[in-house]
Amino acid sequence: GESVGLHLPTLSVQEGDNSIINCAYSNSASDYFIWYKQESGKGPQFIIDIRSNMDKRQGQRVTVLLNKTVKHLSLQIAATQPGDSAVYFCAENIRSLLTGGGNKLTFGTGTQLKVEL
Amino acid sequence: NAGVMQNPRHLVRRRGQEARLRCSPMKGHSHVYWYRQLPEEGLKFMVYLQKENIIDESGMPKERFSAEFPKEGPSILRIQQVVRGDSAAYFCASSQGTGDMNTEAFFGQGTRLTVV
Repeated sequence: GESVGLHLPTLSVQEGDNSIINCAYSNSASDYFIWYKQESGKGPQFIIDIRSNMDKRQGQRVTVLLNKTVKHLSLQIAATQPGDSAVYFCAENIRSLLTGGGNKLTFGTGTQLKVEL
Repeated sequence: NAGVMQNPRHLVRRRGQEARLRCSPMKGHSHVYWYRQLPEEGLKFMVYLQKENIIDESGMPKERFSAEFPKEGPSILRIQQVVRGDSAAYFCASSQGTGDMNTEAFFGQGTRLTVV
């Protein structure tokens, strides 16, 4: 079936280094992708999104890259800080002709980012 | 503007009891989504509702689970005759609509259900 998955379950980086979290998706019909950050005991927090008509989008310290050819998504965090430690999820939006799509999201299993001092 | 509010934050139920989880969307949001998260897993879509309508319930178990979003009041996720396998974190998200400019969903802090 269709799925979204991550390559690395745990990523450890030194404070100040850049982090790259990867995600593979298989549903070629998806046209909207989101990265969420989830801290322990909290709900997912929106980080950045990208639509399928784009291949790169930048935010504050974060960049999302989309490669539709190989169905790959990545999140780059510049100058990683201790506060970035969390689980990061990629999600795709499946747009259904019947429901209008909405925010029916398919989430990956997550990558634990650990920032070492 | 308050975010998505879920209550209770923690809920303990004995096997066979009923669990009711509540979600108040952000102000101005008329679309509500429920997701379930098992420990160390990603969130799984359960149901998508608009006011008084279920739009997509493809992720809902066929039995014991139901959801509603009445004209007035919060959205309710109801689990009847809970079993230990229902123990999970249940998250609610809301969004303004389905148009291209309003697809971002905001999540609540979740309700952690423990069935003993």
